[in-house]
Amino acid sequence: ETGVTQTPRHLVMGMTNKKSLKCEQHLGHNAMYWYKQSAKKPLELMFVYSLEERVENNSVPSRFSPECPNSSHLFLHLHTLQPEDSALYLCASSQGTAGILYEQYFGPGTRLTVT
Amino acid sequence: ILNVEQSPQSLHVQEGDSTNFTCSFPSSNFYALHWYRWETAKSPEALFVMTLNGDEKKKGRISATLNTKEGYSYLYIKGSQPEDSATYLCAFLNSGGSNYKLTFGKGTLLTVNP
Repeated sequence: ETGVTQTPRHLVMGMTNKKSLKCEQHLGHNAMYWYKQSAKKPLELMFVYSLEERVENNSVPSRFSPECPNSSHLFLHLHTLQPEDSALYLCASSQGTAGILYEQYFGPGTRLTVT
Repeated sequence: ILNVEQSPQSLHVQEGDSTNFTCSFPSSNFYALHWYRWETAKSPEALFVMTLNGDEKKKGRISATLNTKEGYSYLYIKGSQPEDSATYLCAFLNSGGSNYKLTFGKGTLLTVNP
């Protein structure tokens, strides 16, 4: 176990639904991340939070809305998604944001299917 | 757009074989290289964070080398075991960008046959 949990593990939603993905880290880390992995593509960074402040929004459409209420929890709110948004969504955390110093700890991911 | 290439895409080896695979990245603006191991249905797990040219890191039977001047890193597994079966990801950190924005390769899928 990496100390990062994600719920749900699988989600099927229609294009008009609203749902949320939840991530929790039990490592006392200060940075949290959302990644997307589409089929046959590499992991792609979506959002980064450092000390509960968003420091990166990697050109992600507004139908994805992140929320970081405290340093242990990260949410990804989903609304009006498209079928091409079907992917594996991974959460990660690290002690700090400096990638030269800190490895990232990943959750197991949420497999999202948009119908 | 940063290009991080991993080769081969997949390989099959027999238990006991030693193997290696490659991560290629831009040789300019190098900041760091991460290696992760991702078993099916589990979470990616960090193996190494490498920063210095010529660096070599080791974790059990797995080791990695780094050549920042020519833009590649090798991951070696000595005496492969079935539990080494996983996708091995590398991720490049560019000194010209944000200090947290990793660019991942697509990974090398290793299958170790008993």
